Amino acid sequence: SQQGEEDPQALSIQEGENATMNCSYKTSINNLQWYRQNSGRGLVHLILIRSNEREKHSGRLRVTLDTSKKSSSLLITASRAADTASYFCATDAWGAQKLVFGQGTRLTINP
Amino acid sequence: DVKVTQSSRYLVKRTGEKVFLECVQDMDHENMFWYRQDPGLGLRLIYFSYDVKMKEKGDIPEGYSVSREKKERFSLILESASTNQTSMYLCASSFGGTRETQYFGPGTRLLVL
Repeated sequence: SQQGEEDPQALSIQEGENATMNCSYKTSINNLQWYRQNSGRGLVHLILIRSNEREKHSGRLRVTLDTSKKSSSLLITASRAADTASYFCATDAWGAQKLVFGQGTRLTINP
Repeated sequence: DVKVTQSSRYLVKRTGEKVFLECVQDMDHENMFWYRQDPGLGLRLIYFSYDVKMKEKGDIPEGYSVSREKKERFSLILESASTNQTSMYLCASSFGGTRETQYFGPGTRLLVL
């Protein structure tokens, strides 16, 4: 089963609204990352948050991490049409040599 | 900026053909990865490499092999393509550990007929 699982699977909002996506994982991690993928393209790294951090900001992005609940959220404020994409969380379980990606949240921003 | 390039954006091959997918990164990264991405299954790791001539199996290595003769280049080989290998293939590289930030190429959409 996936280490990281995003929720919801799909989200559709109006331009200007905030979008929140969640990621849950099963085992202890060193870090958790969020990536964006535009349709038919490769993934682009957005932000990395380490297990000893609780919150991180990057422009209109805000990521939180709750290691006690094994969950993370990605908030995109003041959404734009260009934010339409799939968003993936990726985790590195302790002892693993790799990242494990969730199945993603498909975000659609309606003009 | 890190640049990861893949040899083809779209590729059509016949069943049984030998297929080479090439990936090149320009940032002297030690680690390189090959994933395939399928609807409903997300990204699955096929192989990765943490150094020249070194390779490690990922979650789904069957039917694939890899080659890393030079640090900047990581090739994925489908020895005898099959229709169930029709997929989007993504290459990535990273600096430091294999669990650090990964930089992805644009992907190759492979269709096996």
